[in-house]
Amino acid sequence: NAGVMQNPRHLVRRRGQEARLRCSPMKGHSHVYWYRQLPEEGLKFMVYLQKENIIDESGMPKERFSAEFPKEGPSILRIQQVVRGDSAAYFCASSPMGASNQPQHFGDGTRLSIL
Amino acid sequence: GQQVMQIPQYQHVQEGEDFTTYCNSSTTLSNIQWYKQRPGGHPVFLIQLVKSGEVKKQKRLTFQFGEAKKNSSLHITATQTTDVGTYFCTPRFGNEKLTFGTGTRLTIIP
Repeated sequence: NAGVMQNPRHLVRRRGQEARLRCSPMKGHSHVYWYRQLPEEGLKFMVYLQKENIIDESGMPKERFSAEFPKEGPSILRIQQVVRGDSAAYFCASSPMGASNQPQHFGDGTRLSIL
Repeated sequence: GQQVMQIPQYQHVQEGEDFTTYCNSSTTLSNIQWYKQRPGGHPVFLIQLVKSGEVKKQKRLTFQFGEAKKNSSLHITATQTTDVGTYFCTPRFGNEKLTFGTGTRLTIIP
């Protein structure tokens, strides 16, 4: 049973370019969460999505960042006009339900580097 | 606001020694989850505590939830090199997003 799949594992972009990070949740999971982790720091919640809906985006920067989870296909975290400060590891997690007592299963992450 | 503090931030122990990390919240929690992240890896779910005063064991790991449901601890007995990593507590306040503590980074001296 495949776990949470994230791609690419590593992504290099120049300042001003766009970055697209993909996440396919575990089979049977319809709830997806995105987190950002800076080196030597904990994970910061960004956004929580259910199929075709954004449930909580309180951790998303107001500009340049967007997320979607379409009916078909993976969840996408999109960063427009990237800046050096966007360099981080971005983790996606999924759960079968959205209740607060559900453990979250994480993907291997995408390491984004901005030149 | 919902504040989470985890201590210590770093812990270096000799292999075979015990290790404990503590998680403290400023508000009462609905439950708490613990995750482990190996260097270069992703967080992996370890356990969830729900009841006041709950204690759960996983081999050499003992997890406790305080009576007031505001703090928790993870204790590892006789550490091994495989225990290396960062341990995060993630208090749940009744909503879906995880609020990660700063984590305790454990290094083992062979």
